[in-house]
Amino acid sequence: AQSVTQLDSQVPVFEEAPVELRCNYSSSVSVYLFWYVQYPNQGLQLLLKYLSGSTLVKGINGFEAEFNKSQTSFHLRKPSVHISDTAEYFCAVSDASGGYNKLIFGAGTRLAVHP
Amino acid sequence: EPEVTQTPSHQVTQMGQEVILRCVPISNHLYFYWYRQILGQKVEFLVSFYNNEISEKSEIFDDQFSVERPDGSNFTLKIRSTKLEDSAMYFCASIRGKYSNTEAFFGQGTRLTVV
Repeated sequence: AQSVTQLDSQVPVFEEAPVELRCNYSSSVSVYLFWYVQYPNQGLQLLLKYLSGSTLVKGINGFEAEFNKSQTSFHLRKPSVHISDTAEYFCAVSDASGGYNKLIFGAGTRLAVHP
Repeated sequence: EPEVTQTPSHQVTQMGQEVILRCVPISNHLYFYWYRQILGQKVEFLVSFYNNEISEKSEIFDDQFSVERPDGSNFTLKIRSTKLEDSAMYFCASIRGKYSNTEAFFGQGTRLTVV
C-alpha cells in the first residue's frame, strides 16, 4: 500500500518569492508521482508527473519537482510565485507495477501568495 | 479541449434519501473513477470502473454505493441512503489508457451536502 504525506498544510509566501511544497511518500512498490493543483471552485488539474528518467521534471506554470528516491520525496518548487498561484496543491502516487491507476493523494497544501 | 463534466455542481439532500451524481468522461477514455474529498481532508479513492464493471473499490465504497455507465457516455455514482458523513466533494475522473503513466482528467466536482 502507498501513502503520501504533505508536510505543510498551509504555506504563505509573498509575490515573486520562491516556494517549495514538500511531499514524502511511502510504498513497497515502484510508484509514479504527480502534483495536482485545485483553484477555488475548480477541479483537479495536473501540474506535472514523474514516471521515469530524469529526476527533475518540469510542469506547467513554471513549476518543477525533483524525485529523490533515497529520501522518498517529490518536492514541488517555483522560483518566483504570482498571486494567481494561490490554490490548493496535492501530491499523489500511483502503483507503477500495473493495476487500474488509482491515485493516492496527500492531504494537500494551501499556497497563499500575498502582494 | 475535452473535459470531464459533472452535474450537478452542488446538491443538498436529506439524510436517508438516494442521490445520483452524474459524470460525462472524455469520450475516448476507457477507465473511470470516483473520488471524494470530505471538507478539510484528503482526496480519497472510491472506485474504478472498466469494461462495464468495477475493477477496484476502497473500503469506503460499501453496499450503499453503486456505479453505472448506463448509456456509453454517462458515468454515475449512486448513494442509496445518504448519511450525514457522506457530505463531501465528489470528483469523477477518466483515463484514456490502462497504465498508471496516463494522465487522469478530473471533473470540477459535485458538492454533496446531507442535512
